[in-house]
Amino acid sequence: GAGVSQSPSNKVTEKGKDVELRCDPISGHTALYWYRQSLGQGLEFLIYFQGNSAPDKSGLPSDRFSAERTGGSVSTLTIQRTQQEDSAVYLCASSLVGGHTIYFGEGSWLTVV
Amino acid sequence: SQQGEEDPQALSIQEGENATMNCSYKTSINNLQWYRQNSGRGLVHLILIRSNEREKHSGRLRVTLDTSKKSSSLLITASRAADTASYFCATDDGSGNTPLVFGKGTRLSVIA
Repeated sequence: GAGVSQSPSNKVTEKGKDVELRCDPISGHTALYWYRQSLGQGLEFLIYFQGNSAPDKSGLPSDRFSAERTGGSVSTLTIQRTQQEDSAVYLCASSLVGGHTIYFGEGSWLTVV
Repeated sequence: SQQGEEDPQALSIQEGENATMNCSYKTSINNLQWYRQNSGRGLVHLILIRSNEREKHSGRLRVTLDTSKKSSSLLITASRAADTASYFCATDDGSGNTPLVFGKGTRLSVIA
């Protein structure tokens, strides 16, 4: 596609439910990033996929968070047993290769009630 | 991991004035990038400066890089109300194996 696409744009879920957030990177981009941003805060790195390398999961805040990237393209971020502190915007980005300019999607607003 | 730290955290200026934001980082870099974010949505790339460059211009933007001090500055000249946004720096070590890590950003308000 023309840009990074994320879905859903907005998600309201009940505490304890699982959620899946989807990211469609720019075609041909080998690097894919997930970040989280709480209201008025900076970007918190979550996970990084680069080609066929093992993903860098060092930013995932707990084992309730996981992500996968199927076929080197679409990525899904899964949050299990959501908590209120998980409420944030989840931003996905991709780049041609790691270290180059990265292109962001518009984010998925998650609200846990 | 690489990390940019911006200062000030917030900056408020009058339209027409220049805005300067700073970024410091900790380890060796291959390049440093500045991004802009409106209203908590996706960031937009503004400019990239490589470690062997000292200054770069793009329209009303001027970026400097001092690798000896591990710092960079972003200058927006003749600011406009539409420049109101958050600005972030991010560094890359050139390996391709580490993600871009962003700082907390500078929130710029340009008052008309």
